[in-house]
Amino acid sequence: DVKVTQSSRYLVKRTGEKVFLECVQDMDHENMFWYRQDPGLGLRLIYFSYDVKMKEKGDIPEGYSVSREKKERFSLILESASTNQTSMYLCASSFNRESLYGYTFGSGTRLTVV
Amino acid sequence: QKEVEQNSGPLSVPEGAIASLNCTYSDRGSQSFFWYRQYSGKSPELIMSIYSNGDKEDGRFTAQLNKASQYVSLLIRDSQPSDSATYLCAVNKWNTGFQKLVFGTGTRLLVSP
Repeated sequence: DVKVTQSSRYLVKRTGEKVFLECVQDMDHENMFWYRQDPGLGLRLIYFSYDVKMKEKGDIPEGYSVSREKKERFSLILESASTNQTSMYLCASSFNRESLYGYTFGSGTRLTVV
Repeated sequence: QKEVEQNSGPLSVPEGAIASLNCTYSDRGSQSFFWYRQYSGKSPELIMSIYSNGDKEDGRFTAQLNKASQYVSLLIRDSQPSDSATYLCAVNKWNTGFQKLVFGTGTRLLVSP
């Protein structure tokens, strides 16, 4: 089974801090995604990547950046954390550009910015 | 119009009943359809995929697809309290060279003992 591992289950950070969320997948998937999930708003795509060093903006990229230096690792960076970035962050991966088999999600990181 | 629409619920059914979850989508070009289950505080888990019109059965779960009506449904037979969760419908969409999944906001299912 594909495993998508997110480095932290819970994080508490202060306003203005730079925050790194790490995601690693172990099945050589090409595509990786970062979502945030908030009550009533569903899953919202922040950034995605379909190849090493490639990145594409999703629906809500403002205040975030990403890095994909290796195929298995996709990092989400909050440049200067704000309270409105308190959320559940979900990383996902898929096999190739067609995503025929759907996405596999990591276990999520619940980030609280105080 | 949202790209993928689901009734937010909650849908309440008694244990042993059939739960019927529905989803409509707007992109006629969509070819792949998925149902995810998400327990409270957990991440989504893929439970069904369907690619052609008709029914697809897997244990107590049946996915139904009607592309002409742009409609996908998930039936859960013999519902159990452990099925209580939010069910997300996801539909693929082409976007400048590759496909992304577009997710509905989910339907919350409550199965009472």
